[in-house]
Amino acid sequence: SQTIHQWPATLVQPVGSPLSLECTVEGTSNPNLYWYRQAAGRGLQLLFYSVGIGQISSEVPQNLSASRPQDRQFILSSKKLLLSDSGFYLCAWRLAGGPGEQFFGPGTRLTVL
Amino acid sequence: LAKTTQPISMDSYEGQEVNITCSHNNIATNDYITWYQQFPSQGPRFIIQGYKTKVTNEVASLFIPADRKSSTLSLPRVSLSDTAVYYCLVGPRKTGTASKLTFGTGTRLQVTL
Repeated sequence: SQTIHQWPATLVQPVGSPLSLECTVEGTSNPNLYWYRQAAGRGLQLLFYSVGIGQISSEVPQNLSASRPQDRQFILSSKKLLLSDSGFYLCAWRLAGGPGEQFFGPGTRLTVL
Repeated sequence: LAKTTQPISMDSYEGQEVNITCSHNNIATNDYITWYQQFPSQGPRFIIQGYKTKVTNEVASLFIPADRKSSTLSLPRVSLSDTAVYYCLVGPRKTGTASKLTFGTGTRLQVTL
């Protein structure tokens, strides 16, 4: 069966510090991968998605970036965090060409102070 | 992607049937309607998906009228554990590239005794 991992679960970082969140998927090949952010009490905002290694599409211009160095690894990064980057970050995967259902990871709660 | 409109919140007593309606006036011919459930500090979880008429699974039913401009998620005999945010999404079921889902703010369902 497929599983999705995210780490760390929680993170507290000072403004201006770098960020690296990692997501890995097991049990499937060539998945579509997604990064979402959810501010407190708000809906999910799609940040990035990837259909293959090295292929990244950005939905919202900001100080975040994403990379996909391996088929089942998706990384969210920032060189300098802003207060507004605080939120709940979710990674998700979907079968490429599949029925559209996305499977979400456990999330990372990021607090920027 | 078709925009959706849902009530911000709903309240129900345990044991009642809950119906959450979603409007999607600009739904396209190849769009499906999908509902997700999200508990606090967790990623959304797929509930049900449909194209037209009625779909039923072990947790919910989805009613879609002939014009497909709205849909209703029906939760039979809710319990306290059904307290969550419910999202209605509209988009292609299968795409050649990534399936980008747009999550709105959802409907916050509160179930009480």
